[in-house]
Amino acid sequence: EADIYQTPRYLVIGTGKKITLECSQTMGHDKMYWYQQDPGMELHLIHYSYGVNSTEKGDLSSESTVSRIRTEHFPLTLESARPSHTSQYLCATNGGLAGETPTDTQYFGPGTRLTVL
Amino acid sequence: KNQVEQSPQSLIILEGKNCTLQCNYTVSPFSNLRWYKQDTGRGPVSLTIMTFSENTKSNGRYTATLDADTKQSSLHITASQLSDSASYICVVSDRGSTLGRLYFGRGTQLTVWP
Repeated sequence: EADIYQTPRYLVIGTGKKITLECSQTMGHDKMYWYQQDPGMELHLIHYSYGVNSTEKGDLSSESTVSRIRTEHFPLTLESARPSHTSQYLCATNGGLAGETPTDTQYFGPGTRLTVL
Repeated sequence: KNQVEQSPQSLIILEGKNCTLQCNYTVSPFSNLRWYKQDTGRGPVSLTIMTFSENTKSNGRYTATLDADTKQSSLHITASQLSDSASYICVVSDRGSTLGRLYFGRGTQLTVWP
């Protein structure tokens, strides 16, 4: 069982609000990821990090931002939420150093279901 | 274009029956293929991972196969249980970048009826 936590699990918020989705892990993994997933659709990578002070944008353009000040935390922030941001956000980690080995496995958190009214 | 296609999109079976889910991919180069199980409202959980040289791998009642020549994989579930109801996602990793980029399928939604 992977020790990766996301809060809140569910969030309903009005348009224009600033929100931060929390992700924390206790495995000491260097690499962390944020994915966005809509119902019945594939996961899309929106941000990733190789380690402290390392953040990169993923394949899917996102208005969110991330930070990695500590190894165990990888929060995602939306400065001004819009209905188009309604989705499930999944945080994941991957053990090992940069340069994934074939046996690495991504461990996912339980996700945050965000609804913007 | 690197893609992962899964079939069927959804499947309903009776408890105790077997089923097979399919995954076809065009990802190149190829590093490994993973099957994940995702319960509703939860994050995906890894079931199996196979590299180029592996043809089959089992995890309890789940058996995954890989044919790297035809770029096809299957996940076979035996003696299905109600708790098997979930989305099963096929994920392929390339080795073309230091990120080891992952390509996700849309999943097969399996429902097991009593």
